[in-house]
Amino acid sequence: EVQLVESGGGLVKPGGSLRLSCAASGFDFSTYSMNWVRQAPGKGLEWVSSISGSGTYIYYTDSVRGRFTVSRDNAKNSLYLQINSLRADDTAVYYCARDLAAAGLAVDYWGQGTLVTVSS
Amino acid sequence: EIVLTQSPVILSLSPGERATLSCRASQSVSSYLAWYQQKPGQAPRLLIYDASNRATGIPARFSGSGSGTDFTLTISSLEPEDFAVYYCQERSNWPPTFGGGTKVEIK
Repeated sequence: EVQLVESGGGLVKPGGSLRLSCAASGFDFSTYSMNWVRQAPGKGLEWVSSISGSGTYIYYTDSVRGRFTVSRDNAKNSLYLQINSLRADDTAVYYCARDLAAAGLAVDYWGQGTLVTVSS
Repeated sequence: EIVLTQSPVILSLSPGERATLSCRASQSVSSYLAWYQQKPGQAPRLLIYDASNRATGIPARFSGSGSGTDFTLTISSLEPEDFAVYYCQERSNWPPTFGGGTKVEIK
């Protein structure tokens, strides 16, 4: 059974940092591109970042480029998102999401999400 | 960045009725469009990918159609568990983008 479990969210002051983690199990992690997608409270979905299975190819949406860093450790079946210089509009549930093998940049499995709240 | 516009914003229907949800793209996305269902407090669930392909385990009452800029998600006969928010998402360009959602509510 595919499982994605995020952790690391919490309350942080503007300008602060957090490191989100996603523990993956039930599939061959290294062969899948992985993604971070976020959802502000009561709002829609926003694609944040993607990383290829080997970690060679990395992409960010414009609003987070230069502040967020995605990485993965295939030996630990883990995905990470380092988020720096946090702003109020980064407040959201952050989902770890597996790429659909048949159609990259569509998501077939999602974690339960971890809430990041940016507030003074 | 491609903008996806979903309509209607809210769809009020009764169980057993047919639901027709629309997603329009600001430019062609070919067939690179997916549909997700999201219930309160839950992560989204993939229903349809590449416009018309049902994801694993998705009931046949869900179907997708369209190409280019106009897409439709149809639920042939609403079950109680289908009342939720539905999002379309395109993957033709970076970054992938989502529509604003359609809430299907019980009439």
